[in-house]
Formats: sequence, C-alpha cells, structure tokens
Amino acid sequence: DTGVSQDPRHKITKRGQNVTFRCDPISEHNRLYWYRQTLGQGPEFLTYFQNEAQLEKSRLLSDRFSAERPKGSFSTLEIQRTEQGDSAMYLCASSNFSWLAESGKVYNEQFFGPGTRLTVL
Amino acid sequence: LAKTTQPISMDSYEGQEVNITCSHNNIATNDYITWYQQFPSQGPRFIIQGYKTKVTNEVASLFIPADRKSSTLSLPRVSLSDTAVYYCLVGPLTGGGNKLTFGTGTQLKVEL
Repeated sequence: DTGVSQDPRHKITKRGQNVTFRCDPISEHNRLYWYRQTLGQGPEFLTYFQNEAQLEKSRLLSDRFSAERPKGSFSTLEIQRTEQGDSAMYLCASSNFSWLAESGKVYNEQFFGPGTRLTVL
Repeated sequence: LAKTTQPISMDSYEGQEVNITCSHNNIATNDYITWYQQFPSQGPRFIIQGYKTKVTNEVASLFIPADRKSSTLSLPRVSLSDTAVYYCLVGPLTGGGNKLTFGTGTQLKVEL
C-alpha cells in the first residue's frame, strides 16, 4: 500500500454513459498525476496537477476527459460519453515535488494508487 | 521526447543477478532516468532514479555510462517475487508527463 487510494476499484458502464473516478493522494504531496493503461502497454500520461492547478494535459487527450483537484487534495477524473476504447486501467499517482535551485537537485518520486479498472460495454 | 527501447522479456533463476538495459539515444541534457516495477493489477512502484554514473539503493543499482545513451538496472539475487514488468522512463523531473513516457516495459520472469 503506497498511501494513494482510488475509488472505485472497478467500474462497468454502458457506452455513452458518464463516469467519474476519485483519487486520494498521500496527504502532503503537492503533485497528482492521472494515467491510463491498457493491457500489455505502459501507463499513458493523461494530466497532472501542482496543488490545485492543472499544469499539463496530454496532447492526445480527448475533450471528453476532464479532471479537477479543487482544494489541492483529492482529484476526480470524469469521462463523458464513454466509448469502448476508453476501457482501461486508470491510475493515479502523487509526488512531493521539490527543486532546490542552489543545488539543482530535483525530487519527484511518484507513488501510484491501485488503479480503477473501467470496462465500457 | 526521449524514446526508450527495452527487451520485451527476460528469464532468470532465483539467486541470480539480473541486468535490464534500456536504450535512450536522444536523451536530453536535463533528462533523468527512472525505473519502475509493476505487478499485475497494481500501479507501478518506484525502484531507482539517476542522472549519471552509478546509483545504488537497498533494492537495485542503476548504471549510466558517460554518454547517457543507455542505462542498466541491476537487480542482485532475484527471487520469485521479482517477477514483474520493469519500465524505464527518461525525461525531465521538473515537468509533467508529455515529456515523460513509459514504454512497453520488460517482463521479467524468475523461476526456481
């Protein structure tokens, strides 16, 4: 257990429905990431937050996907009008990002949650 | 964007040392190299991270040659529980994910 939790662990939905996933990161972590992983592939970056600010989104991310981190703590990922191609494991990760300007040292170890497996019928 | 190439799979036996090499010919000056381990139905787990030369922690060593165009994850005395997929990531730590991508990974199988 890394301390990152995700809910639900499994979700089955019908094509066209909206789904929302929740991620609770490690409490003091300032960064939160969302990834998607399909069978036999590595995790694919979707988006990330620094505190409550969404700093980056995947260039390939459909506008049916939206994520929030309203208070800089937990985050939600919503998929609207789901398609069968959205079936995947959705992973959340958090990190306590730090950058020491004087030394140039960067610390950004990501801790992953167990994932939410989405099946779109 | 630094593309990484790893062997698709490797087999080993308990007690042996395993070395998994990752090629990243177009690594950028501010890119770091990070390795993750993933078991089925779990999220990836951080193993080790480095910029150059050698890094060692309690579970692995990471060897990075001077040109940084490749790196080798070394797992000493593997056990059955080390059977997993190992991912090499190359990218800047300061940014987000568009420059930091997981490849397809190396499936390591450890047998008795």
